[in-house]
Amino acid sequence: QLVLTQSPSASASLGASVKLTCILSSGHSTYAIAWHQQQPEKGPRFLMKLNSDGSHVKGDGIPDRFSGSSSGAERYLIISSLQSEDEADYYCQTWGTDIRVFGGGTKLTVL
Amino acid sequence: EVELVESGGGLVQPGGSLRLSCAASGFSLSIYEMNWVRQAPGKGLQWISYMGSSGSSKYYADSVKGRFTISRDSAKNSLFLQMNSLRAEDTAVYYCARGEFSGGHYYGSFDYWGQGTRVTVSS
Repeated sequence: QLVLTQSPSASASLGASVKLTCILSSGHSTYAIAWHQQQPEKGPRFLMKLNSDGSHVKGDGIPDRFSGSSSGAERYLIISSLQSEDEADYYCQTWGTDIRVFGGGTKLTVL
Repeated sequence: EVELVESGGGLVQPGGSLRLSCAASGFSLSIYEMNWVRQAPGKGLQWISYMGSSGSSKYYADSVKGRFTISRDSAKNSLFLQMNSLRAEDTAVYYCARGEFSGGHYYGSFDYWGQGTRVTVSS
């Protein structure tokens, strides 16, 4: 079964960096994922598609502060130089032939 | 500029029906895969339905299979979600989202989202 696992919460200080993790279920370690950001009271926004080799393609207008990397079944979203507007929920998402799957989301607090 | 605008949400009684619309601009639905995603109050995102670019492939999450139907009107460049036999647990904000198509390949990532429309199922 295709499942994505995320930590429910994370926090980091203004101006610092943070690394969010998304873990693919057993047998799915080569899958690509997407990262989406959802700011409070807003719709989601596509950040990037992240491949198993760590290569990634970002969405329109996504700042250079956002990047991604991969290691085995783990996919990471790295946000550097944290700003107040980065306080949001972050969701990873993947797909199979006839299914699309979201992780449970990570709530990022900027201190 | 790509834009997705959902409409049709509202308050409906359990067992009732509702039809959601998603008006697309800046691209053609006939070329892209499309999806519906919902978010219950205070909860995460849940994918519920997919339509392929040709319009013939349609997939549903188990939670809505047999009750919800995805369709589109290519002339109006609009996507729809017909929701029947609604339950309290269908209460959510419903988003349409475009599937990524780049370099001649389709990917399951969602590269554009609408702002959502709220559905409340309650007596």
